[in-house]
Amino acid sequence: AQSVTQLDSHVSVSEGTPVLLRCNYSSSYSPSLFWYVQHPNKGLQLLLKYTSAATLVKGINGFEAEFKKSETSFHLTKPSAHMSDAAEYFCVVSDGYGGATNKLIFGTGTLLAVQP
Amino acid sequence: NAGVTQTPKFQVLKTGQSMTLQCAQDMNHNSMYWYRQDPGMGLRLIYYSASEGTTDKGEVPNGYNVSRLNKREFSLRLESAAPSQTSVYFCASSDGTGEDYGYTFGSGTRLTVV
Repeated sequence: AQSVTQLDSHVSVSEGTPVLLRCNYSSSYSPSLFWYVQHPNKGLQLLLKYTSAATLVKGINGFEAEFKKSETSFHLTKPSAHMSDAAEYFCVVSDGYGGATNKLIFGTGTLLAVQP
Repeated sequence: NAGVTQTPKFQVLKTGQSMTLQCAQDMNHNSMYWYRQDPGMGLRLIYYSASEGTTDKGEVPNGYNVSRLNKREFSLRLESAAPSQTSVYFCASSDGTGEDYGYTFGSGTRLTVV
């Protein structure tokens, strides 16, 4: 069965400093991995996805993530945090490349706070 | 704008009341899903529909029913609401494979059962 573990429930950074949100996954198959962001009282927005192409994935708003099979990790990073990055971030795994049976499994979320 | 539309956005129910959450997508996606979001638990799958005319249980289906009315619409029904069903509900749709594989989420329905 697939699962994801987000290692930090809360992360606080200062504006202009790097962001690191950690995610480990477990999957019996070659996984698809996603990062979604949710701003307060909003829906979910896709930041980036990995589907077996390049292991370094670039997303929107300057975020990127690296798929490391040996470490079963898919950590999200950004070189310089902005106040608008304050939100909850979800690491998500799916066990395939498409189709309704490849359901998304969500992590429990990491709440990112950005201090001025 | 193309996407997933959920109604209503907010709802307060009394215990034992029933209601239907509506979801419609205009992207011609085959697959649709209902999730619930609770603090500290991420999103959990309630039901999904791989295609028009089919539905299947997800991780937390108890207390819910669904209907895939047509390719565009997928509704979620609470027959007898309970306080434990207080949550934010998200509908999603998906299609494509490989690099095109992705989900689109609605903006959510915030349900409170008192």
